[in-house]
Amino acid sequence: IAGITQAPTSQILAAGRRMTLRCTQDMRHNAMYWYRQDLGLGLRLIHYSNTAGTTGKGEVPDGYSVSRANTDDFPLTLASAVPSQTSVYFCASSPGENIQYFGAGTRLSVL
Amino acid sequence: GQNIDQPTEMTATEGAIVQINCTYQTSGFNGLFWYQQHAGEAPTFLSYNVLDGLEEKGRFSSFLSRSKGYSYLLLKELQMKDSASYLCATMDSNYQLIWGAGTKLIIKP
Repeated sequence: IAGITQAPTSQILAAGRRMTLRCTQDMRHNAMYWYRQDLGLGLRLIHYSNTAGTTGKGEVPDGYSVSRANTDDFPLTLASAVPSQTSVYFCASSPGENIQYFGAGTRLSVL
Repeated sequence: GQNIDQPTEMTATEGAIVQINCTYQTSGFNGLFWYQQHAGEAPTFLSYNVLDGLEEKGRFSSFLSRSKGYSYLLLKELQMKDSASYLCATMDSNYQLIWGAGTKLIIKP
């Protein structure tokens, strides 16, 4: 089934630990995005990639890094997790400057 | 600055009509999107407006006035499954989406 797959679906993480959230799409979309969603706030862009090999910083990039080695994969890494990174993380992809399609999300708790 | 405002919560009755408003101020404008998000799930695309006017798609319609920085989502013949959050987002000059906090719509029988 075509779409975006995120893993894990949920995770509890000790503060200071390193964590990589995985995102894979099979729609051959050029653009991919990582958002976090917190109660009472809109989706906030962490990092994005307009095409394989390029990445850019969004609104809230601090504490996060990404890579885009190929079209399909766009992992998000928390180098040293902090409690303020407790959130729901959504990966999205888009064929261009257009509709974004979202994965099911990863619920992360940092204790 | 960039800002998107929409009501936090609305309540409506099954079978009725509800209008969810969204006002925006963004640097550059390349269209306005509405997404639906059920609790615990991913946002899913509903509509896209780039020109002024009304776009109708089944029970859902979306309106845009660029001069007023205003949009609304109109839901007709409400069903219980329409209980969800509705997210308004504008696409800025860099083709990035700027999101409102969402409107939680509660449908009562």
